[in-house]
Amino acid sequence: QQQVKQSPQSLIVQKGGISIINCAYENTAFDYFPWYQQFPGKGPALLIAIRPDVSEKKEGRFTISFNKSAKQFSLHIMDSQPGDSATYFCAAHAGGTSYGKLTFGQGTILTVHP
Amino acid sequence: DAGVIQSPRHEVTEMGQEVTLRCKPISGHNSLFWYRQTMMRGLELLIYFNNNVPIDDSGMPEDRFSAKMPNASFSTLKIQPSEPRDSAVYFCASSFQPGVTFFGQGTRLTVV
Repeated sequence: QQQVKQSPQSLIVQKGGISIINCAYENTAFDYFPWYQQFPGKGPALLIAIRPDVSEKKEGRFTISFNKSAKQFSLHIMDSQPGDSATYFCAAHAGGTSYGKLTFGQGTILTVHP
Repeated sequence: DAGVIQSPRHEVTEMGQEVTLRCKPISGHNSLFWYRQTMMRGLELLIYFNNNVPIDDSGMPEDRFSAKMPNASFSTLKIQPSEPRDSAVYFCASSFQPGVTFFGQGTRLTVV
């Protein structure tokens, strides 16, 4: 019940295209859904996050779509650039006494070709 | 703030040796997390602390692993004795707001 399932494992997109990464969860106690971006040799960095009371959040070229009834959320990268090539992780946080613990998806390796 | 600081960045050690990884969280953050990242298993949460107290160590793979947080600005993850299968990148992370977590640069551990 604590799992977050992420797909696809890898994604290749042409420059200017749209990259879409999907995640699904089971635990209805999750109350915060961040996405992390990781470049080689670096730690994951918070990219964008959403709470379940909204269905969409947009920051620049990055958009999270959230479907509470389906328990799914996705990251859309518009006008994908080679500099977006990285590993992306979705995550989920359960409220209460979890002290900020995040449950991560398995990660998606995104490659954007010039 | 310099962010979460981990040391060393790289560690190569022989099987059977003790390894100690160090972490300085961001000042003011009250939760600290140790993660391990491998290609096969992705990001695994090993242990986390809140206000220097260990909350959940169920992710620690074996008794060979131990972690301490003697004060709000320092934590260690120790592996004794180390084995080749412990080779991975180990991340320390901290947070002050539930879910908003900042990661260090990681320590790449190689056990030969």
